[in-house]
Amino acid sequence: EVQLVESGGVVVQPGGSLRLSCVGSGFNFDDYTMHWVRQAPGKGLEWVSLISGDGDSVYYADSVKGRFGISRDNKKNSLYLQMNSLTFEDAALYYCVKDAVRRIVSTASLDQWGQGTLVTVSS
Amino acid sequence: QSALTQPASVSGSPGQSITISCTGGSTDVGGYNFVSWYQQHPGKVPKLIIYDVTNRPSGVSYRFSGSKSGNTASLTISGLQAEDEADYYCCSYTSISTQYVLFGGGTRLTV
Repeated sequence: EVQLVESGGVVVQPGGSLRLSCVGSGFNFDDYTMHWVRQAPGKGLEWVSLISGDGDSVYYADSVKGRFGISRDNKKNSLYLQMNSLTFEDAALYYCVKDAVRRIVSTASLDQWGQGTLVTVSS
Repeated sequence: QSALTQPASVSGSPGQSITISCTGGSTDVGGYNFVSWYQQHPGKVPKLIIYDVTNRPSGVSYRFSGSKSGNTASLTISGLQAEDEADYYCCSYTSISTQYVLFGGGTRLTV
């Protein structure tokens, strides 16, 4: 059974930094692109970033480019999101998501979702 | 880049069919067969129900079907059931800039 478990969500002040983590199990972690998707309270889904299985390809939403950094450690089956210069608009539930297709970057099919970790931005 | 455009809400009666549209452009929905759909019940995690425009993952009801015409993708739910009441999101690959994935704004289905 595929499991994705996020952690790291806390209350942070505007301008602050935070690192989210996600541990995957039940699949060959390094075969799959991984994504971060967020959802602000009462709002829709917003794709944030992806990283290919080998870590060579990374992409970001325009809203986070230059402030967020995605990375992975395949030896630890772990995915990370470094979040800097946080604003109120970054407050959301952040989901770690597995891509559906092996060994290519992505076909925008996201088949397994974690439960999410909540980031709150408050002064 | 703006999200893909979906109606904010749709409604239907049990047993009826409904269709949710998802409109993009030639650099996303219209240019590639990489459109997926997700169902999200309140307080729950999103679930993939359609991928690559028309394909259903194993375990997803045959009542869910996807299609595409030009720059608009569609999700059709036939034989509506009360349990179908949820939010639905479309998603597409995009070739614009350094982004890769776009979501629609979501559609609330009321049964």
